Amino acid sequence: DAGVTQSPTHLIKTRGQQVTLRCSPKSGHDTVSWYQQALGQGPQFIFQYYEEEERQRGNFPDRFSGHQFPNYSSELNVNALLLGDSALYLCASSSGPSPYGYTFGSGTRLTVV
Amino acid sequence: AQKITQTQPGMFVQEKEAVTLDCTYDTSDQSYGLFWYKQPSSGEMIFLIYQGSYDEQNATEGRYSLNFQKARKSANLVISASQLGDSAMYFCAMSPFSSGSARQLTFGSGTQLTVLP
Repeated sequence: DAGVTQSPTHLIKTRGQQVTLRCSPKSGHDTVSWYQQALGQGPQFIFQYYEEEERQRGNFPDRFSGHQFPNYSSELNVNALLLGDSALYLCASSSGPSPYGYTFGSGTRLTVV
Repeated sequence: AQKITQTQPGMFVQEKEAVTLDCTYDTSDQSYGLFWYKQPSSGEMIFLIYQGSYDEQNATEGRYSLNFQKARKSANLVISASQLGDSAMYFCAMSPFSSGSARQLTFGSGTQLTVLP
């Protein structure tokens, strides 16, 4: 049974560009949450998608946006990239909004140069 | 708002010995959950153990146990019989479960555990 799949695994972008990260949830899960983990820090909550709508949002600017598709997969989009956006982006899937039962993917390492 | 504090940036333990990783938290919610995750160098967050705020017994999962002291707002992770494969970053996290509260994880800054042969 496949767990959470994130793509790409690594990405290098130039400041000012836009990026799209993708997440396929674990089979049976309908909720996707995105976290940003800067180097040497714990992950920070970006937002959560359930029933194709953004249900919760952390303290991140509007440059960060997302989408959930009918098959429950999700995308994270970041516009006007800043050097400070360099981080590991983790996707967690779950059945419902509770983090109990989260399954995390291995993340996408984004480097902004 | 919730806050998690992990005061040990790095810890060393001898193989087969026990180790305690500290975690204190702050929250105004009456109902909440506490989690510990392991993050190896591959990046994936691996769930280890969970403790509910109303659970009277300390949680245990194999070699992992959670020393929950609600009055002191601490939730320390104890790993018994350490193995070389336990070397990784460990994160303490919490989520409120009260009605109307955002269901998201707040993480601490982590503790890098190194198991010595």
